[in-house]
Amino acid sequence: AQKVTQAQTEISVVEKEDVTLDCVYETRDTTYYLFWYKQPPSGELVFLIRRNSFDEQNEISGRYSWNFQKSTSSFNFTITASQVVDSAVYFCALSEFYGNNRLAFGKGNQVVVIP
Amino acid sequence: DTEVTQTPKHLVMGMTNKKSLKCEQHMGHRAMYWYKQKAKKPPELMFVYSYEKLSINESVPSRFSPECPNSSLLNLHLHALQPEDSALYLCASSQAQGAGQPQHFGDGTRLSIL
Repeated sequence: AQKVTQAQTEISVVEKEDVTLDCVYETRDTTYYLFWYKQPPSGELVFLIRRNSFDEQNEISGRYSWNFQKSTSSFNFTITASQVVDSAVYFCALSEFYGNNRLAFGKGNQVVVIP
Repeated sequence: DTEVTQTPKHLVMGMTNKKSLKCEQHMGHRAMYWYKQKAKKPPELMFVYSYEKLSINESVPSRFSPECPNSSLLNLHLHALQPEDSALYLCASSQAQGAGQPQHFGDGTRLSIL
């Protein structure tokens, strides 16, 4: 069975600090996909990134960066120089190749950026 | 602005009412999803439609009835709901139901059952 663990429930940072969100996953499949979504207070989940299990290249998009390490089953997310607009709940999710595109979500990280 | 549009944004209904939630996307996606999300919890999958056919029903009570009239529209008909059904209902779509297709979500409907 697939499982995603996001251990930190709420993280508060002062604006311009960096924040790293940890995501650890479990799956027996060799082919799988990992996602990060952002959910601001307005409610919609915003797709941020998808990684497949064969691509361990790290990625940077503006102030966002992701570190995928299969050896530790982790897919961590860092926000550099945080801003108040980054305040949201961030979900890590896993989809297995034969899972009919079902997403197994972690419990989410509530990030609060204090001005 | 999200490309998946949900209406209404808020809905308050009594336990004997019948109402419908609507979802529309114009991205040409062929898979559409309904999720239920309680406060401070991740979304839970309810239904998936693929090419307008029901593909997944996650053992949802029959008081929730999905409908996919065409490839752009997804409805969720509600009848005789319970107070514990109060939640944020999210619609999502993806290009197809194939593995790893990113799902794109709407803003949701905040439902309150009196």
